[in-house]
Amino acid sequence: DTGVSQDPRHKITKRGQNVTFRCDPISEHNRLYWYRQTLGQGPEFLTYFQNEAQLEKSRLLSDRFSAERPKGSFSTLEIQRTEQGDSAMYLCASTPGVSQLDEQFFGPGTRLTVL
Amino acid sequence: AQKITQTQPGMFVQEKEAVTLDCTYDTSDPSYGLFWYKQPSSGEMIFLIYQGSYDQQNATEGRYSLNFQKARKSANLVISASQLGDSAMYFCAMRAPGTASKLTFGTGTRLQVTL
Repeated sequence: DTGVSQDPRHKITKRGQNVTFRCDPISEHNRLYWYRQTLGQGPEFLTYFQNEAQLEKSRLLSDRFSAERPKGSFSTLEIQRTEQGDSAMYLCASTPGVSQLDEQFFGPGTRLTVL
Repeated sequence: AQKITQTQPGMFVQEKEAVTLDCTYDTSDPSYGLFWYKQPSSGEMIFLIYQGSYDQQNATEGRYSLNFQKARKSANLVISASQLGDSAMYFCAMRAPGTASKLTFGTGTRLQVTL
């Protein structure tokens, strides 16, 4: 296992369409995070899973966003009825969850462009 | 709430010289972790160095060291002997326990290493 992987790397969609991104964390990492990064900004927290349980969601995560982590392995992030403001890099990170201060390992991100 | 401030949007450094990237933070939690990540143009976030709030000594990792001044709430990154490959965005981040261990990032500093 070489690291966190994300698919697709790039996605271009038209406004109003639904998109789904996938994240495969490092195996045996219990914690999985989604972040969003807009141009010129640092990543912002969206949501967090401990195994299959979604334990925290940011207020940035509107009701058009939904995330799942079935069986505590890979995770998906779906955006319904995309808007131009959703254009951003979506980053996934995982951590073993052994210590509260564990390093988070990031994937390469999915860059979403909404036309 | 936690806050990270990076006041240098861009920095230039000559190859083989040292450079300091500034980071100040604000938190009311006594226990926290401070991280630096590098983000090349390809987009992935690469972990560089970590400093715990109770660590007595400044963290070092190869050419990277963290100048941790707790009373000033600063955690500056020092890169020694800069290389052309160090050109990238650099983000300071903080994590406090009890907040899902999510990271709060600054806005980043773009470092350009010149010949």
